[in-house]
Amino acid sequence: GQQLNQSPQSMFIQEGEDVSMNCTSSSIFNTWLWYKQDPGEGPVLLIALYKAGELTSNGRLTAQFGITRKDSFLNISASIPSDVGIYFCAGSNAGNNRKLIWGLGTSLAVNP
Amino acid sequence: SQTIHQWPATLVQPVGSPLSLECTVEGTSNPNLYWYRQAAGRGLQLLFYSVGIGQISSEVPQNLSASRPQDRQFILSSKKLLLSDSGFYLCAWSPMQDTIYFGEGSWLTVV
Repeated sequence: GQQLNQSPQSMFIQEGEDVSMNCTSSSIFNTWLWYKQDPGEGPVLLIALYKAGELTSNGRLTAQFGITRKDSFLNISASIPSDVGIYFCAGSNAGNNRKLIWGLGTSLAVNP
Repeated sequence: SQTIHQWPATLVQPVGSPLSLECTVEGTSNPNLYWYRQAAGRGLQLLFYSVGIGQISSEVPQNLSASRPQDRQFILSSKKLLLSDSGFYLCAWSPMQDTIYFGEGSWLTVV
């Protein structure tokens, strides 16, 4: 099935560093979502973006809906050990079924 | 507030045995419901989604089936498990917006 291009695939950083990851698509989306998954748990919604150009923050997290509607990025500032996990992006073309297209995830490791 | 719960959390089943994973959502009505599978900790694969009671759409041909006997109940089943059915299964629900919310997940190991 269709997938988003999410990069980087993995990151290993020092505590306190900033992190940036992004997703791109060949299709236009009406919604971009960012999730975080801790080991052995279900993904948790971090930020939802519904409008092209929208920039939204959630604590140390900031995400933007690309103006072309084909990309989105997520930034984490001043990383801490609990930021460890896999981050997924997802996009939706809306419609009745609410099916999301997913990236393959960015695995983040933080060295204390 | 809305909650989603799925069970069992973990199970080990022999090849050829049946499977039943259950998921319930509380605090909402007429949600869209989903079953995803995640292999090797990466990549979320949509298996089934449902927009209403008895309405099931399958995304990929496979050894599994899904049913929605009640508005807020979603069940994932198999008559005969294969080794390749092992993985982390996630139930999810969504309101009218595009966001979806996941359950805790169920680890299935087929031996």
